[in-house]
Amino acid sequence: GAVVSQHPSRVICKSGTSVKIECRSLDFQATTMFWYRQFPKQSLMLMATSNEGSKATYEQGVEKDKFLINHASLTLSTLTVTSAHPEDSSFYICSANWDREQFFGPGTRLTVL
Amino acid sequence: QKEVEQDPGPLSVPEGAIVSLNCTYSNSAFQYFMWYRQYSRKGPELLMYTYSSGNKEDGRFTAQVDKSSKYISLFIRDSQPSDSATYLCAMSLYSSASKIIFGSGTRLSIRP
Repeated sequence: GAVVSQHPSRVICKSGTSVKIECRSLDFQATTMFWYRQFPKQSLMLMATSNEGSKATYEQGVEKDKFLINHASLTLSTLTVTSAHPEDSSFYICSANWDREQFFGPGTRLTVL
Repeated sequence: QKEVEQDPGPLSVPEGAIVSLNCTYSNSAFQYFMWYRQYSRKGPELLMYTYSSGNKEDGRFTAQVDKSSKYISLFIRDSQPSDSATYLCAMSLYSSASKIIFGSGTRLSIRP
């Protein structure tokens, strides 16, 4: 149980385009999901906390207009990177809360050319 | 100063050795301490979870927390090649379900 999936697993896009990443809790409902970013050989950095049915809470320094988060249902949260640039290339990981623990998705590798 | 400091390694040890991984932190308010294992290009998975100071053992893994020194450790006994991964320490103020601050991770390689 407590499986979290992400789609796509990897995406390559051109600079200036927008990319949507989906995070799904497959066998449980999650009122809270988190979005992290991880640069090579660096740690996971929390970007935002996503609560079902309300606006996401962004960490300091994360542009909410660039990283749009939607948590429209108890099993799905989406992260849209708008007008992506090469510096947005990273590994994006989501997690979902269940039974007082965060379960992490497998991550999405974004490469912006 | 980072909130959580972790030696990035890489750390390479022979199979069967005891591995010691460590982190220090600056925020004395942290109460929940976790260790995650992350394989390449995968999401992290929870290994150990400790509340406040003390030791916790689970099979070959032992987690130690010393809040007075702001120092946590993970010991792996009888290390196996399958233990090769990046190990991330992590901590939280309230629970593992709330905001987590991660260390940078230590890359561990177990040589057969």
